[in-house]
Amino acid sequence: IAGITQAPTSQILAAGRRMTLRCTQDMRHNAMYWYRQDLGLGLRLIHYSNTAGTTGKGEVPDGYSVSRANTDDFPLTLASAVPSQTSVYFCASSPTQGSGNEQFFGPGTRLTVL
Amino acid sequence: AQRVTQPEKLLSVFKGAPVELKCNYSYSGSPELFWYVQYSRQRLQLLLRHISRESIKGFTADLNKGETSFHLKKPFAQEEDSAMYYCALYQGNTPLVFGKGTRLSVIA
Repeated sequence: IAGITQAPTSQILAAGRRMTLRCTQDMRHNAMYWYRQDLGLGLRLIHYSNTAGTTGKGEVPDGYSVSRANTDDFPLTLASAVPSQTSVYFCASSPTQGSGNEQFFGPGTRLTVL
Repeated sequence: AQRVTQPEKLLSVFKGAPVELKCNYSYSGSPELFWYVQYSRQRLQLLLRHISRESIKGFTADLNKGETSFHLKKPFAQEEDSAMYYCALYQGNTPLVFGKGTRLSVIA
């Protein structure tokens, strides 16, 4: 059982390019999340999805888009990358977006935008 | 407005010394609080949650509604406790809100 996986592990990207970060979970969790982790700023929520077919904006959604076509996959797209999007991106999932649910995190994607 | 505050970015303690990682929250309802930990080269993972009232790896945390705090404590720090610790708040119908994190360094 893989749990939650992310791809790529790391990426260097030229500014202005489009990039999709992939996230897949095999736990049949309804809720999924994307965070960015920056030194001194902690974990900030970008977008989330409570169930397949629905998405919501988090704290820092600008410049990012997501889709949730099925339960397992939750890709994050940067339409036109900018250097301020250099960060470590974490995908997470939980059984539901409800009370007491533990979030399970992926290994992260380290993205550098030049 | 920041809803979860972790005032220390870095906390260094000697092995065997007590540890307290501070977390304060702002929420008018009934909060649910968590501590997550990220060890070097490992995934972020749940350490403990206040509703469980359990001790994990020697760590405990008590919810103090009067002081709106959920400090993480351990009486005797070990080198393997060195990690990044995040306090998180569940407010109901919205995803978890994480604090900015505290890096704990346990010095041998």
